[in-house]
Amino acid sequence: AQTVTQSQPEMSVQEAETVTLSCTYDTSESDYYLFWYKQPPSRQMILVIRQEAYKQQNATENRFSVNFQKAAKSFSLKISDSQLGDAAMYFCAYWSSGNTPLVFGKGTRLSVIA
Amino acid sequence: GAVVSQHPSWVICKSGTSVKIECRSLDFQATTMFWYRQFPKQSLMLMATSNEGSKATYEQGVEKDKFLINHASLTLSTLTVTSAHPEDSSFYICSARDLHRPGQYTNEQFFGPGTRLTVL
Repeated sequence: AQTVTQSQPEMSVQEAETVTLSCTYDTSESDYYLFWYKQPPSRQMILVIRQEAYKQQNATENRFSVNFQKAAKSFSLKISDSQLGDAAMYFCAYWSSGNTPLVFGKGTRLSVIA
Repeated sequence: GAVVSQHPSWVICKSGTSVKIECRSLDFQATTMFWYRQFPKQSLMLMATSNEGSKATYEQGVEKDKFLINHASLTLSTLTVTSAHPEDSSFYICSARDLHRPGQYTNEQFFGPGTRLTVL
């Protein structure tokens, strides 16, 4: 079974600085997708960024970028120029295909210090 | 596009009563819907997967007679917590996917805003 591990329960970053959240996963599939979701205090799940495993190029979305290392099964999220609104729980997730659900990590709570 | 709504957003009920939570896909057809439960400061725990017109598939440890899931149409799924007890108090989140939708949405799960259930 696929598993997703987030080894940092909590992280903090100074406003305007850069922070990296770690995620590793385990799978025997060759084709899959990886996601980072943000859950602010409202608890609405928000998709931050996605990465297709077959793409070598790392995905970027404005201030958010990933470092996808397929061989190492690592998928970290870098947040640049951190803002107060980035404070939230961040979940790394994996999906392979069909009707299978997302597999979530345990999450990392990010605090942004003004 | 791709909006999922949940109703109610919060509910308080007495122990022993049943509560129904609705999940709707507003602008797409949800071939598959998922129900999650989330305790404070924890990750989402998958309860069940449902496909339109089929019986839901429950995760190990989830009582299917207690958490009744119905996915009667491509835009509506319901979760009924029967004979609710205080330990059922939690945050319930539904999510939907449209496998037939081309392009970027094929691989995305869309989430509802969640329902906070408090059982007294």
